[in-house]
Amino acid sequence: GAGVSQSPSNKVTEKGKDVELRCDPISGHTALYWYRQSLGQGLEFLIYFQGNSAPDKSGLPSDRFSAERTGGSVSTLTIQRTQQEDSAVYLCASSPPGQRYGYTFGSGTRLTVV
Amino acid sequence: AQTVTQSQPEMSVQEAETVTLSCTYDTSESDYYLFWYKQPPSRQMILVIRQEAYKQQNATENRFSVNFQKAAKSFSLKISDSQLGDAAMYFCAYRSVLGANSKLTFGKGITLSVRP
Repeated sequence: GAGVSQSPSNKVTEKGKDVELRCDPISGHTALYWYRQSLGQGLEFLIYFQGNSAPDKSGLPSDRFSAERTGGSVSTLTIQRTQQEDSAVYLCASSPPGQRYGYTFGSGTRLTVV
Repeated sequence: AQTVTQSQPEMSVQEAETVTLSCTYDTSESDYYLFWYKQPPSRQMILVIRQEAYKQQNATENRFSVNFQKAAKSFSLKISDSQLGDAAMYFCAYRSVLGANSKLTFGKGITLSVRP
């Protein structure tokens, strides 16, 4: 696609429910990243994919968080048994091979846990 | 590990004036990339400008330019002729050249308001 697409744009869920956030990167971008942005805060790295494998998942805050990427394309971030502290904007970004490029970001999913 | 520091949480500028946003970073690497991103209320992160550490010349993109001081590990963004559309949150970011696709490390951001 022309840009990075994330869905849903907004999600309100009850505490304890599971949620899935989807990211569709730019075609040909081999690297895919998930970040979390809490209200008024900077971006917290969660996980990085190179193709379908995740060489760096060091930022996942707990075992309630998991992510997968299939076909070297779409990625899903799953949060199980959501807690109120999970409320944040979840941003996905993709990048072509090479460090000289920055990321192209999606518009994010705003997750609210009530 | 690398760290990026943006010590000013908020700044304000008069329309048509110039403003400089500060950023410092800490690294033991000699080669890396630095970026400034803009995040308007729409949440869409937009790449503003990029600097390659091995290049001494400061990057420029239209009204946006950087002052890259490698020895001081400083990377400030100058916005000239500020416009109302420049109001946004601005993030400074660092990217190592090590690893196939190293992640970006971001500062906490600075909120820029533009007064008409």
